[in-house]
Amino acid sequence: QSVLTQPPSVSGAPGQRVTISCTGSSSNIGAGYDVHWYQQFPGTAPKLLIYGNTNRPSGVPDRFSGSKSGTSASLAITGLQAEDEADYYCQSYDISLRVWVFGGGTKLTVL
Amino acid sequence: QVTLRESGPALVKPTQTLTLTCTFSGFSLSTTGMCVSWIRQPPGKALEWLALIDWDDDRYYSTSLKTRLTISKDTSKNQVVLTMANMDPVDTATYYCARIRSSGWYPGKYYFDYWGQGTLVTVSS
Repeated sequence: QSVLTQPPSVSGAPGQRVTISCTGSSSNIGAGYDVHWYQQFPGTAPKLLIYGNTNRPSGVPDRFSGSKSGTSASLAITGLQAEDEADYYCQSYDISLRVWVFGGGTKLTVL
Repeated sequence: QVTLRESGPALVKPTQTLTLTCTFSGFSLSTTGMCVSWIRQPPGKALEWLALIDWDDDRYYSTSLKTRLTISKDTSKNQVVLTMANMDPVDTATYYCARIRSSGWYPGKYYFDYWGQGTLVTVSS
C-alpha cells in the first residue's frame, strides 16, 4: 500500500488530454512538500518528468505539466501521442515517516 | 555528463547478504547538496525508496527495512554501496541508484534527476 495514491490506469485517444492524480496526506503533499513525476517505459529506468510540482527538465515537451493543490497533485498530458504510453509515478517526502515516498504508479494507455 | 551504474550479483540465496555498488561520474558526493539514493522495483510493481546518503555522510533508511540496510560511500572512488541483510524471495527486484542534487538539506524538495540503468537481483535457492 503506497503512501501516495495513484489510479492504476488511465487511457486516452491520440490528441486528447489526460490527467493522472496523486493523492497524499497532511504529512507529505499537504505539508507543503514538493511533488515530482517520473515516466518509465518497460524495461528501462524511470526518467524525471516534472520536478518541484510544476517544473519541466530540459528536453521534456511542454505537453507535460504538473500542478498541486492541498493534499493532491496532478500530471496533465495534452496532445496525447502513442509514444506517451508508459508508467507514471509521483514522488514526495513524508515528514511522519521521514522517508521519500512514491505513488503506486499509473499505466497510461494510448488508444 | 552525469552517469550512474549499478553492479552486484544477479542471484542471491535466501538469508544471504546482498551487496550492491553504485559507481557514478559527473559529480562529486563531497559537494554540498549532493546525495545518492537506492530505489527498488519488484517485477511488475511500484518503485520503493530504500536508502539515501548525503554529502555530509548522513544516512537515511526506509522505515520498514532499516534493520536490514546499510548505505555507505567512498568519495575517492565515486561509489556508494548498499548492503541488505537476510535476503528473501520477496526482495527480488530491480535495484536502482539515483542522484539528488540540491543546494543543501531540503528533504522536502529532493527529487531523483539521474538514474542508473538498474540491476535485477533474484533471490532464490
